[in-house]
Amino acid sequence: QKEVEQNSGPLSVPEGAIASLNCTYSDRGSQSFFWYRQYSGKSPELIMFIYSNGDKEDGRFTAQLNKASQYVSLLIRDSQPSDSATYLCAVETGTASKLTFGTGTRLQVTL
Amino acid sequence: KAGVTQTPRYLIKTRGQQVTLSCSPISGHRSVSWYQQTPGQGLQFLFEYFSETQRNKGNFPGRFSGRQFSNSRSEMNVSTLELGDSALYLCASSLAGAYQETQYFGPGTRLLVL
Repeated sequence: QKEVEQNSGPLSVPEGAIASLNCTYSDRGSQSFFWYRQYSGKSPELIMFIYSNGDKEDGRFTAQLNKASQYVSLLIRDSQPSDSATYLCAVETGTASKLTFGTGTRLQVTL
Repeated sequence: KAGVTQTPRYLIKTRGQQVTLSCSPISGHRSVSWYQQTPGQGLQFLFEYFSETQRNKGNFPGRFSGRQFSNSRSEMNVSTLELGDSALYLCASSLAGAYQETQYFGPGTRLLVL
């Protein structure tokens, strides 16, 4: 079992819809969770981080964390074509500054 | 504030050669982590440096090494290159490499081994 799992996609959503991206992790000791966006040929850029159970909202983005079920999700409201990218879930487990990444979910927002 | 910079951006090497990549963190950041990204394996942690000391290491062979200088700039070296080392090498910096600190990535160095 991989430590951090994501559906590779592509996840296709129409413009204006809500995109829901999911991530599960295996280490119950995981402390911090990050969502990065990576455009093709570019480096990852931070979208959001979440440390506590529940929801965290930032503009059109909402991160949700459920430590009991070991999943973290990212919701993108009012999806735009510019949101088309690969979304990487990263988990910080027992070692500070060591991120374990999922393989990413490719999101396509269609016109 | 300037972001993380990496040089060179692109490299072509042949098997058996060695390569050195450089990373300058965001000003004030003292922790530098290195990652390898390949289509098959995704992003994988190589190692992390803080105050010129390697604090954490991933599961890579000893051919992969690094160092950090007093100004927090870091280099990584890959010796005896193999075809499978072709990848995007990313460095990321954070303030102190503590829990819950955000890591900011540089643009990466794309290495092609022929």
